Amino acid sequence: EAGVTQSPTHLIKTRGQQVTLRCSPISGHTSVYWYQQALGLGLQFLLWYDEGEERNRGNFPPRFSGRQFPNYSSELNVNALELEDSALYLCASSLTGQGATEAFFGQGTRLTVV
Amino acid sequence: GNSVTQMEGPVTLSEEAFLTINCTYTATGYPSLFWYVQYPGEGLQLLLKATKADDKGSNKGFEATYRKETTSFHLEKGSVQVSDSAVYFCARFDYNQGGKLIFGQGTELSVKP
Repeated sequence: EAGVTQSPTHLIKTRGQQVTLRCSPISGHTSVYWYQQALGLGLQFLLWYDEGEERNRGNFPPRFSGRQFPNYSSELNVNALELEDSALYLCASSLTGQGATEAFFGQGTRLTVV
Repeated sequence: GNSVTQMEGPVTLSEEAFLTINCTYTATGYPSLFWYVQYPGEGLQLLLKATKADDKGSNKGFEATYRKETTSFHLEKGSVQVSDSAVYFCARFDYNQGGKLIFGQGTELSVKP
């Protein structure tokens, strides 16, 4: 069974550009989470999507946004990129409701903003 | 609020040494507790979990017991190997408390031959 898959694995963008990161959850999982891991820092919660709706949002500016599609895959969009957005972006998926006892992570997308 | 606190790293051990990485959590709700491991240049892998008090999670020689009385979930391994060198994250998850994994700050482990 395929795990959580993210694309692309690496990308380089210029300050001010926009970027879209993609995540496909494990089959049967309806919740998707996005985390940012900047160099030397821990994991910062970005967004949680469940059944197509945004359920929770971390302390990030509005230029970080996303959506979840009917097939439960998800996109993370970052507008007006800044140098400090350079980080590893991790996506995780889980079951929903009381069955949500654990989350599985993808390998991440490493974004470099120059 | 909900939080997870880990012992600070980096932790440097010799091969075959005993490992303990401390983790405590705030006692809000009834979270599930996890240890994730991140090897250099990779994403996070679930190492072990415990979903209720007194549960013991174990995997690859690592163990952690969900201690409600001390709100702790310390990670232990009796004999570490060089291949265990990684960053270890303790986390709590409670669907009814915002539905997100809350991570500790991570503890870097370096095992020397």
